[in-house]
Amino acid sequence: KAGVTQTPRYLIKTRGQQVTLSCSPISGHRSVSWYQQTPGQGLQFLFEYFSETQRNKGNFPGRFSGRQFSNSRSEMNVSTLELGDSALYLCASSLLGTGNTIYFGEGSWLTVV
Amino acid sequence: DAKTTQPPSMDCAEGRAANLPCNHSTISGNEYVYWYRQIHSQGPQYIIHGLKNNETNEMASLIITEDRKSSTLILPHATLRDTAVYYCIVRLGSQGNLIFGKGTKLSVKP
Repeated sequence: KAGVTQTPRYLIKTRGQQVTLSCSPISGHRSVSWYQQTPGQGLQFLFEYFSETQRNKGNFPGRFSGRQFSNSRSEMNVSTLELGDSALYLCASSLLGTGNTIYFGEGSWLTVV
Repeated sequence: DAKTTQPPSMDCAEGRAANLPCNHSTISGNEYVYWYRQIHSQGPQYIIHGLKNNETNEMASLIITEDRKSSTLILPHATLRDTAVYYCIVRLGSQGNLIFGKGTKLSVKP
């Protein structure tokens, strides 16, 4: 069974640009969540989607957005990139239910120059 | 904020058991204890989780105290590949996200 797949793995963007990251969850998983990891702030929750609806959102500015498609695949977008957005962006998926397990992808490394 | 407290770092000799403690004194009755680990530059890897009873799988054992205010992750025979940051997380069963603390950096030494 394939795991959580994230693309691209590495990318470099210029300040002011925007970026879109993609995530394919484990087959059958309908809950997808996104996290940002930086050396200073650690792993922080961005948002979670289930059945194309945002269920939960972390404390990030509106430049960070996401969406989920009918096949559960998800994308996140960061507009007007800042140097501080350089980070590892992680996607995770799970079944919805009590005591379930959340599985992570390998992440997308974003460098903003 | 994370609801758990872990030591920032620990060392363990290769082949010995690694016992990683975690305090979660404010845990509520319907919250689970999850353990993940992250090897440098990779996504967090699920290890184990439990609610009240002790749990064991092929990777580790999870011992939860009777009052549920603390737990211990046990790696029975640590190898160099177990060197990683280990995160203990308390999570509501139905909650879709995880709140990570700083974790414990485990160094397994030959």
